[in-house]
Amino acid sequence: AQSVSQHNHHVILSEAASLELGCNYSYGGTVNLFWYVQYPGQHLQLLLKYFSGDPLVKGIKGFEAEFIKSKFSFNLRKPSVQWSDTAEYFCAVTPWSGYSTLTFGKGTMLLVSP
Amino acid sequence: NAGVTQTPKFQVLKTGQSMTLQCAQDMNHEYMSWYRQDPGMGLRLIHYSVGAGITDQGEVPNGYNVSRSTTEDFPLRLLSAAPSQTSVYFCASSRGSAGQETQYFGPGTRLLVL
Repeated sequence: AQSVSQHNHHVILSEAASLELGCNYSYGGTVNLFWYVQYPGQHLQLLLKYFSGDPLVKGIKGFEAEFIKSKFSFNLRKPSVQWSDTAEYFCAVTPWSGYSTLTFGKGTMLLVSP
Repeated sequence: NAGVTQTPKFQVLKTGQSMTLQCAQDMNHEYMSWYRQDPGMGLRLIHYSVGAGITDQGEVPNGYNVSRSTTEDFPLRLLSAAPSQTSVYFCASSRGSAGQETQYFGPGTRLLVL
């Protein structure tokens, strides 16, 4: 079975700081990878996803993530965060096969101070 | 399209009571899932369905029942509520397997079991 580890439970940044949230997964085969975001009081929304091809994927709101297969990592980045990026971020993985289901990490709460 | 809708938004139960959390989607998605979200635990899969009449267990199925009589609806039943089931419950749907397609989440149901 697959598993996901997110390195930080809480991150506090000032506006305009750069962001990198770590995500590592454990699975022996090919995977699809996702980052979801949950803004305060809202439901989860897809930020970006990697299925195949270019390992650097770009998502909404200036976010990007890089899949490094050799490190089993899929870190989320943003060059300059805004107060509105305050949210909880979840990395998720699923095997690239059949009736697969998502396995989520425990989440990273990002607080951006103005 | 309303997307994925969930009712109720909030519910308070006493230990031993039963209730059904409703989930509906109007996107003609085959795949539907129920997750629970607990602080520091991320999202964990309870049950999922790959089509009408077909359901399967996820990571934490105990204490919950599901059925899928139509494509649109995927209710989650708590037969005898326990305080450990206090959580936020999210329903999600996707056109295909979570491994291949983006999942769309509902707004959630906050459940408190006393």
